[in-house]
Amino acid sequence: DGGITQSPKYLFRKEGQNVTLSCEQNLNHDAMYWYRQDPGQGLRLIYYSQIVNDFQKGDIAEGYSVSREKKESFPLTVTSAQKNPTAFYLCASRIQGDYIQYFGAGTRLSVL
Amino acid sequence: KQEVTQIPAALSVPEGENLVLNCSFTDSAIYNLQWFRQDPGKGLTSLLLIQSSQREQTSGRLNASLDKSSGRSTLYIAASQPGDSATYLCAVGDRGKLIFGQGTELSVKP
Repeated sequence: DGGITQSPKYLFRKEGQNVTLSCEQNLNHDAMYWYRQDPGQGLRLIYYSQIVNDFQKGDIAEGYSVSREKKESFPLTVTSAQKNPTAFYLCASRIQGDYIQYFGAGTRLSVL
Repeated sequence: KQEVTQIPAALSVPEGENLVLNCSFTDSAIYNLQWFRQDPGKGLTSLLLIQSSQREQTSGRLNASLDKSSGRSTLYIAASQPGDSATYLCAVGDRGKLIFGQGTELSVKP
């Protein structure tokens, strides 16, 4: 099945800990995105990548880091510098020339 | 800076009713506008995409319109069904990025 897979579905972070959220796609899409969703605030862009080995900051990049070593993978690390990480994180991808973004099922991150 | 607003935040209607969801944006220089559906705890599903040169798009019982000059888009749902209950988000496309509204949570009562 083609699609976008996010894992884990639920993740818990301890104080001072870095955690990594996985996003894998087998759609052969060029661009990948990470969004954060808080209740009542819609989605906000954290980072995006148009091609392998290149990525740009979105509107709320502080406290997060990403890498794009492979076309199909775009992991997001929530660092200890992110003081309010509790949220629903969504990964998306699209093919160049097509504006529609396809979303994964999300990862819900909570702080212990 | 582009800002996207959706009003109301929540809407409850009886089954069978036709309804309109609203989306407004502050900068008319957009590439496109998209409407998404999100079920609780799930990802987003694209419903309709309107290019900046288009006025409307239709898919089944859904019709989306775009008026760039007034900074508005509407999503019309005909003959609503309980299965339409979800959160609907609009997003403005800007050079490959999307800027989202807060969403409207729709509840269709049987």
